[in-house]
Amino acid sequence: AQSVTQPDIHITVSEGASLELRCNYSYGATPYLFWYVQSPGQGLQLLLKYFSGDTLVQGIKGFEAEFKRSQSSFNLRKPSVHWSDAAEYFCAVGAGGTSYGKLTFGQGTILTVHP
Amino acid sequence: EAGVTQFPSHSVIEKGQTVTLRCDPISGHDNLYWYRRVMGKEIKFLLHFVKESKQDESGMPNNRFLAERTGGTYSTLKVQPAELEDSGVYFCASSQGGRGNQPQHFGDGTRLSIL
Repeated sequence: AQSVTQPDIHITVSEGASLELRCNYSYGATPYLFWYVQSPGQGLQLLLKYFSGDTLVQGIKGFEAEFKRSQSSFNLRKPSVHWSDAAEYFCAVGAGGTSYGKLTFGQGTILTVHP
Repeated sequence: EAGVTQFPSHSVIEKGQTVTLRCDPISGHDNLYWYRRVMGKEIKFLLHFVKESKQDESGMPNNRFLAERTGGTYSTLKVQPAELEDSGVYFCASSQGGRGNQPQHFGDGTRLSIL
């Protein structure tokens, strides 16, 4: 069965600092990987996705993520954090192959940004 | 294009009562998913519709939960009778295709509180 681990429940950074949110997954085949963000009072918004090809993927709002098969990781990064990035971030894996696409989520990482 | 719409945004009911949540997917999306996040836990898959058919309902917690999607458009999720442990945020998502590499678009969720 697939699973996702986000080791950090809460991260605090200063505005302008760099950010890396960790995500480790467990899946038997090539995974489909996603990062979603949930701002207060809103739904989940897709930041970026990885299916195949280039292991460094670019997303919206200046985010990027790198797929590392050897480490079963898909960490999210941003070079300079803005106060508006404060939100909860979710890593998710989608079933591949002929399976239908239910998503398995990590527990989420809450990001606090200090001015 | 209108996004995924869920209502009500918040529902407070007493234990033993019935509640019905509604989800309107993005127009043209045949695939509709329900997820739930109980406080302090990860977002968990409940079920997946393809048009009006249940493709996968492996995540439904018990027979107090009934999901329907008549006509393959909007979907309802009824909880009857509601129990305290049903409290949480219920998310609906839709996608064009149903495979694991299809991005799912989420609604803002319904926050359900059982007293």
